[in-house]
Amino acid sequence: KAGVTQTPRYLIKTRGQQVTLSCSPISGHRSVSWYQQTPGQGLQFLFEYFSETQRNKGNFPGRFSGRQFSNSRSEMNVSTLELGDSALYLCASSFTGARTDTQYFGPGTRLTVL
Amino acid sequence: GESVGLHLPTLSVQEGDNSIINCAYSNSASDYFIWYKQESGKGPQFIIDIRSNMDKRQGQRVTVLLNKTVKHLSLQIAATQPGDSAVYFCAGKTGNQFYFGTGTSLTVIP
Repeated sequence: KAGVTQTPRYLIKTRGQQVTLSCSPISGHRSVSWYQQTPGQGLQFLFEYFSETQRNKGNFPGRFSGRQFSNSRSEMNVSTLELGDSALYLCASSFTGARTDTQYFGPGTRLTVL
Repeated sequence: GESVGLHLPTLSVQEGDNSIINCAYSNSASDYFIWYKQESGKGPQFIIDIRSNMDKRQGQRVTVLLNKTVKHLSLQIAATQPGDSAVYFCAGKTGNQFYFGTGTSLTVIP
């Protein structure tokens, strides 16, 4: 079974631009979560989608948004990029996101904002 | 707020020795925990998990211990190998959300 895939793997953008990241979950998984990983802050939860609906949201500004499609694939968008948005963005999937549902990560998208 | 933290940011062990990585969590309602391994340039890789109704769980060369009384869990790696060098972090789940520790960087000395 294929794992979680993320595209692109690397991105370089400039301040003020916007970016869209894509995530394809493991087949059969319907819950997709997004995280930002930086050296100083570790893994920070952005949001979780289940059945095309945002179910949970972390403490990030409205510039960060996402969506999920009927095939469970998810996209994350960051508008008006800032230097501090440079990070590894990780997508994770699980069957339903239930209490003891294991979560598996993709390889991440490395975003650099210049 | 809720927190999950690791005790040591770095750990060095000799090849063949056992490694112990510790993690503490703040919310007693956390009922599911996962240990992840992250190698440079890669996403976190699932190692082993444990539910709060268990004290111990064993995998291949790895054991996770959960002490709910002091809200502490540990990952033990037996006969540590160079390929075990990576950042390890724990994640605790409360409700539907995971909270992550910042990671312990394990270096295996040949």
